Amino acid sequence: DVKVTQSSRYLVKRTGEKVFLECVQDMDHENMFWYRQDPGLGLRLIYFSYDVKMKEKGDIPEGYSVSREKKERFSLILESASTNQTSMYLCASSPAFEGVYSGANVLTFGAGSRLTVL
Amino acid sequence: RKEVEQDPGPFNVPEGATVAFNCTYSNSASQSFFWYRQDCRKEPKLLMSVYSSGNEDGRFTAQLNRASQYISLLIRDSKLSDSATYLCVVNDTNTGNQFYFGTGTSLTVIP
Repeated sequence: DVKVTQSSRYLVKRTGEKVFLECVQDMDHENMFWYRQDPGLGLRLIYFSYDVKMKEKGDIPEGYSVSREKKERFSLILESASTNQTSMYLCASSPAFEGVYSGANVLTFGAGSRLTVL
Repeated sequence: RKEVEQDPGPFNVPEGATVAFNCTYSNSASQSFFWYRQDCRKEPKLLMSVYSSGNEDGRFTAQLNRASQYISLLIRDSKLSDSATYLCVVNDTNTGNQFYFGTGTSLTVIP
């Protein structure tokens, strides 16, 4: 069964701490994404990556950075955690776009990492 | 204006009912469309892709109307296990293969 695995399901950190969220996929997908999900706001894109060592800002990149040193791994870094970064973080991956209506460019999510910053 | 808009609900329906969700998207160049299901405190999971000709999977039917830029999901003979949040997702490869999400429609099926 193909998977997107997030290293931590629940984390509690203090304000100012550096936080690493790790994500690994075993589907050989080119594209990887980090989202956060908050009640009433839905999923918001933080960063995404189309290839190794490549990254693009999403809608809310402030306060975050990412790293993609290997194709299967995409890490989200909070350099100095703040209370407004308390959220559910979801990693996802998808194959490269193959064509209109192919239905193959499906997004697969990890189980999520629920971060609480005190 | 949001890329994808959905009625957040909640929809509370009795078992066996038929329920329909609609979703509108703003970018006419969008190319792929999906419905995802998300259970409480879980990750979203693909329910079905939506094709231009419409498609059916058991009790679930998805339709795409490109002219009006909306997507629909019909659930027939609702089960208690259908209770979840349903997310409309649009993929736009013109903006770099990004996925745009509605905020979700909450469904509760009541015994």
